[in-house]
Amino acid sequence: SQTIHQWPATLVQPVGSPLSLECTVEGTSNPNLYWYRQAAGRGLQLLFYSVGIGQISSEVPQNLSASRPQDRQFILSSKKLLLSDSGFYLCAWSVTVNTGELFFGEGSRLTVL
Amino acid sequence: TQLLEQSPQFLSIQEGENLTVYCNSSSVFSSLQWYRQEPGEGPVLLVTVVTGGEVKKLKRLTFQFGDARKDSSLHITAAQPGDTGLYLCAGQMVNRDDKIIFGKGTRLHILP
Repeated sequence: SQTIHQWPATLVQPVGSPLSLECTVEGTSNPNLYWYRQAAGRGLQLLFYSVGIGQISSEVPQNLSASRPQDRQFILSSKKLLLSDSGFYLCAWSVTVNTGELFFGEGSRLTVL
Repeated sequence: TQLLEQSPQFLSIQEGENLTVYCNSSSVFSSLQWYRQEPGEGPVLLVTVVTGGEVKKLKRLTFQFGDARKDSSLHITAAQPGDTGLYLCAGQMVNRDDKIIFGKGTRLHILP
């Protein structure tokens, strides 16, 4: 069966510090991978998605970046965090032929102070 | 502009009551999903509906896709405290490269 795991679960970082959130998927090949941010009252906002290694599409301009160094690994990064980067970050995967069904990781709570 | 509107935003009812929550849009979707999310966790997929007018049942939960594939409803019969959570709908947009968009969710609280 397929599993998705992201870490760390909780992160408290000062403004201006770097960020790295990691997500891995097991039990499937060539998944579509996604990074979402969930802010209170604003729903899920798609940040990045990837259809293959090294292929990253960005949905919104921001100081975050994403990379996919391996088929089942997706990383969300920032060189310098802003206060507005605080939120709940969710990694998700879907099958290669997108059915619309997403399978989410446990989430990572980022607080920028 | 919120493309998927969910209503109500909040709902608190007694155990044993019935309820319906809605997901509405002016856009057409090739598929629509419902998820439930517990605090501090990722959303969990409950159901996918694809055909206009389709009805799916998951125990006490009944999901319906609108005939025009623009809206959906979730009906819960005899709600239980375990149904408490944030219910999110998401749609895969036609004519927009199958982009998936989410509603803001309905936060449901079932009182024992």
